[in-house]
Amino acid sequence: AQSVTQLGSHVSVSEGALVLLRCNYSSSVPPYLFWYVQYPNQGLQLLLKYTTGATLVKGINGFEAEFKKSETSFHLTKPSAHMSDAAEYFCAVTSYSGGGADGLTFGKGTHLIIQP
Amino acid sequence: NAGVTQTPKFQVLKTGQSMTLQCAQDMNHEYMSWYRQDPGMGLRLIHYSVGAGITDQGEVPNGYNVSRSTTEDFPLRLLSAAPSQTSVYFCASSLTSGGARNEQFFGPGTRLTVL
Repeated sequence: AQSVTQLGSHVSVSEGALVLLRCNYSSSVPPYLFWYVQYPNQGLQLLLKYTTGATLVKGINGFEAEFKKSETSFHLTKPSAHMSDAAEYFCAVTSYSGGGADGLTFGKGTHLIIQP
Repeated sequence: NAGVTQTPKFQVLKTGQSMTLQCAQDMNHEYMSWYRQDPGMGLRLIHYSVGAGITDQGEVPNGYNVSRSTTEDFPLRLLSAAPSQTSVYFCASSLTSGGARNEQFFGPGTRLTVL
């Protein structure tokens, strides 16, 4: 079975500082990995995804993530935080059952707080 | 395209009542799914469908029914609501269930309270 662990339910950074949100996964097959963002009272929006190929993935709003197979990690970074980045962030991995891929397994989320 | 739409946005039920949460997508996606979101739990898969006429259970299916008679619609039925089903429900769709195209598009959610 697949699983996702997000370290830190809350992360606080100053505006302009580096954002680092950690995600570790386990998967018995080569993973497809995703980061989603959720703004208050809204649905989830895809930030970026890793499928195959280049291990450094660039997404929207200046975010990027690096797939490290040896560390089973897919950490999300942004060089300079903006107030508008305050939101909930979810890491997810494609999940598989006996019949094939059945959806996404999500981490519990990290709430990003931006201090002025 | 409207994307993924959900109705209603908010609903309050009494214990034992039944209701249907509606979900529709206009992107001709094969795969549709329902998740529930609870504080500190992330999103958990309830049911999913890989095409019209095909549904299967996810991680937390008890107390919920689904059907998929058309590609566009994937309603979620609560048979007899319980307070434990108080949650925010998200419908999602993707072009296929697996592979490199498994980017899921999410609806805006339905906030359900069961008293």
